[in-house]
Amino acid sequence: AQSVTQPDIHITVSEGASLELRCNYSYGATPYLFWYVQSPGQGLQLLLKYFSGDTLVQGIKGFEAEFKRSQSSFNLRKPSVHWSDAAEYFCASTYRAGTASKLTFGTGTRLQVML
Amino acid sequence: KAGVTQTPRYLIKTRGQQVTLSCSPISGHRSVSWYQQTPGQGLQFLFEYFSETQRNKGNFPGRFSGRQFSNSRSEMNVSTLELGDSALYLCASSLRGQLQETQYFGPGTRLLVL
Repeated sequence: AQSVTQPDIHITVSEGASLELRCNYSYGATPYLFWYVQSPGQGLQLLLKYFSGDTLVQGIKGFEAEFKRSQSSFNLRKPSVHWSDAAEYFCASTYRAGTASKLTFGTGTRLQVML
Repeated sequence: KAGVTQTPRYLIKTRGQQVTLSCSPISGHRSVSWYQQTPGQGLQFLFEYFSETQRNKGNFPGRFSGRQFSNSRSEMNVSTLELGDSALYLCASSLRGQLQETQYFGPGTRLLVL
């Protein structure tokens, strides 16, 4: 069965600092990978997704992620964090034989931004 | 275009009762999925409906059920509520539920079971 691991439960960064949130997936076939963000009291918003091709994916709000097959990772990055980025971030996956609707989510990383 | 809407936003029930949650997808979207979010188990897939048919199902007991209407609106029902059913229930919609499509999530219904 596929699984997604986010090793960091909570991360604190200063505003303006760079950010990297880790995500590892576990599945034999090529996964389809996603990053979502959830602000308090809100649903999930898609930041970016990877299906195939270029392993560096650009998303909204200045985020990017890099797919590394050798490390089974899909880490999310942002060069300069803004206070409004404070939220919970979820990595998710599905796979070619599945459907987009049946996502497997990681446990999430809560990002705190210090002013 | 209006986003995914879920009603009600908050709900308090007692053990043994049943509850029905509603989700209206984005206009034109025919795939509706439901997820349960709890602090302990995280986000878990419940089921997906497409064209009024359940197309996918997660690992939840039969107390959790759903349906979809001809206008793509969906409802989920939980019977004989247990304390552990307290959660945020999220609904998501997409055009056809295909891999290349983006799923759009609603704000969720927060259910508290006492």
